[in-house]
Amino acid sequence: KNQVEQSPQSLIILEGKNCTLQCNYTVSPFSNLRWYKQDTGRGPVSLTIMTFSENTKSNGRYTATLDADTKQSSLHITASQLSDSASYICVVSAGNQFYFGTGTSLTVIP
Amino acid sequence: DTEVTQTPKHLVMGMTNKKSLKCEQHMGHRAMYWYKQKAKKPPELMFVYSYEKLSINESVPSRFSPECPNSSLLNLHLHALQPEDSALYLCASSQVRTSVENEQFFGPGTRLTVL
Repeated sequence: KNQVEQSPQSLIILEGKNCTLQCNYTVSPFSNLRWYKQDTGRGPVSLTIMTFSENTKSNGRYTATLDADTKQSSLHITASQLSDSASYICVVSAGNQFYFGTGTSLTVIP
Repeated sequence: DTEVTQTPKHLVMGMTNKKSLKCEQHMGHRAMYWYKQKAKKPPELMFVYSYEKLSINESVPSRFSPECPNSSLLNLHLHALQPEDSALYLCASSQVRTSVENEQFFGPGTRLTVL
């Protein structure tokens, strides 16, 4: 069964600290994995997209990793800011099928 | 232009009303999607259009009626909704080809409240 699981479900960190979000998947055949940031009441915005051959991809303070062998991905946020407070959703695609994780709710406090 | 637009941003309607949600993209994408998202939950797929034809209907109640008048527009017609239909409705688009870099672009959503 194609599934995408994320952990933790929620996370609270102090401003300036780093954090890492996890995504495990069983989707096959694998096309790509994307991390989205979704502010409350808004549409998801793509942070990174990774294909099978990519291990690491950065977008500013966001760094995503992918281990295609273990089917795991992580999103590392460095020097967190209050504006990073949002839901982070991992989406794995198999061709034209898109499988959503349940998301991690991140709260950054001053 | 990598933007998907949705109107209106907010909609409040009664259970007897008829209203429509609109979505537009000009990226040349031939696949368009409607999602429903409840608070603190991931988006749930409702409909997929491929080359302006309905390809996936995830057993959505008939009070939701999608329409794809052309390759850039996607509508969702609403009639006789229930309060539990209140949610954020997201539109997305993507290429149809099965490229490894195929990704969805999302609109900002319409916040729907059914009274």
